[in-house]
Amino acid sequence: AQSVTQPDIHITVSEGASLELRCNYSYGATPYLFWYVQSPGQGLQLLLKYFSGDTLVQGIKGFEAEFKRSQSSFNLRKPSVHWSDAAEYFCAVGLPTSGTYKYIFGTGTRLKVLA
Amino acid sequence: NAGVTQTPKFQVLKTGQSMTLQCAQDMNHNSMYWYRQDPGMGLRLIYYSASEGTTDKGEVPNGYNVSRLNKREFSLRLESAAPSQTSVYFCASRNYDGMYEQYFGPGTRLTVT
Repeated sequence: AQSVTQPDIHITVSEGASLELRCNYSYGATPYLFWYVQSPGQGLQLLLKYFSGDTLVQGIKGFEAEFKRSQSSFNLRKPSVHWSDAAEYFCAVGLPTSGTYKYIFGTGTRLKVLA
Repeated sequence: NAGVTQTPKFQVLKTGQSMTLQCAQDMNHNSMYWYRQDPGMGLRLIYYSASEGTTDKGEVPNGYNVSRLNKREFSLRLESAAPSQTSVYFCASRNYDGMYEQYFGPGTRLTVT
């Protein structure tokens, strides 16, 4: 069955430090891949997406992610974290079905940023 | 554009009561989705609608029904609420424009006592 794994439930980094959030997926073909961010009490905002082509994709707020087919991974990175990046981050895959796409989300990684 | 709107924002129900969560989008999107979010479990798909007039079950459909009233609106109904349905519910929509991304509403926080 298709699945998305985010192995880190919580991550704490100092402001200014680099960040990498891990995401692994299980799917036979190359899926469409997404990272979303959710601030407390808010909805989900799309950070970036990968469909095809260049495996390093740039997103909003200085985030980037790299698709590695051999590792079935789509890890999210940021070179220098800001206190405002504290939030929960979700990786998702889009899978074709019945005339549309359905989406499977990981369980999320909660990021804490130390001043 | 308001994007995706959901009503109500908050709701408290007693066990056994029924209610309908409303979702509307003004982006002329074809596909719409309902998710529930529980701590430590991410978002789980309840139902989705590929286009007006069609609905399909997602990962956790038991205890819910949906109606795709028209292209804009997709409602989620709890016929007999249970404490296990305490959750935050998100509606989302997506177009057939090749971009494949979803747009989310602000969520409805439901508590069943």
